[in-house]
Amino acid sequence: QKEVEQDPGPLSVPEGAIVSLNCTYSNSAFQYFMWYRQYSRKGPELLMYTYSSGNKEDGRFTAQVDKSSKYISLFIRDSQPSDSATYLCAMDRNDYKLSFGAGTTVTVRA
Amino acid sequence: GAGVSQSPSNKVTEKGKDVELRCDPISGHTALYWYRQSLGQGLEFLIYFQGNSAPDKSGLPSDRFSAERTGGSVSTLTIQRTQQEDSAVYLCASRGTGTQYFGPGTRLTVL
Repeated sequence: QKEVEQDPGPLSVPEGAIVSLNCTYSNSAFQYFMWYRQYSRKGPELLMYTYSSGNKEDGRFTAQVDKSSKYISLFIRDSQPSDSATYLCAMDRNDYKLSFGAGTTVTVRA
Repeated sequence: GAGVSQSPSNKVTEKGKDVELRCDPISGHTALYWYRQSLGQGLEFLIYFQGNSAPDKSGLPSDRFSAERTGGSVSTLTIQRTQQEDSAVYLCASRGTGTQYFGPGTRLTVL
């Protein structure tokens, strides 16, 4: 079993829809949780960085962490075609070596 | 400011050859990481440099892989006697006081 599980999709939604992404993990030592966005043939770029359980909002993006269930989510409101990318969850045990999910490929249709 | 840069962007080599991949981290970042991303897979940690400490090599898949970091800045990842299963995108990241910032990667194809 992988430490971090993420449904690879693909996920296709119409423009303006809410995109819902999630990851589960098995290692309770993870303390920091991140979401990265990766466009084709580019490196991942950080979208959200959270520590505690609960919600964090940044513009159209909301990250949720539920440590008791070992489950994290990312929601994208009012999705745009420019949001079409692969979204990677990542987790840190505070040893600065990130463990990544496989990534979910999202397409937002105009 | 300048981000993490990597070279070459693409590398095609023949099985059995050695390759060197270069990473220039963000200036002032003390931590540097190498990851491998295979098709349909997440990023796989390879090696981690922090300042002048001995590197964490726990993710290197075999002794054909090695890396060095000169002067606490530029890093080179070397793969000896490349195999077809080494084909992947090799990503470098650097970190200052926050989280990791990634370069664009080197796409390695072993024929």
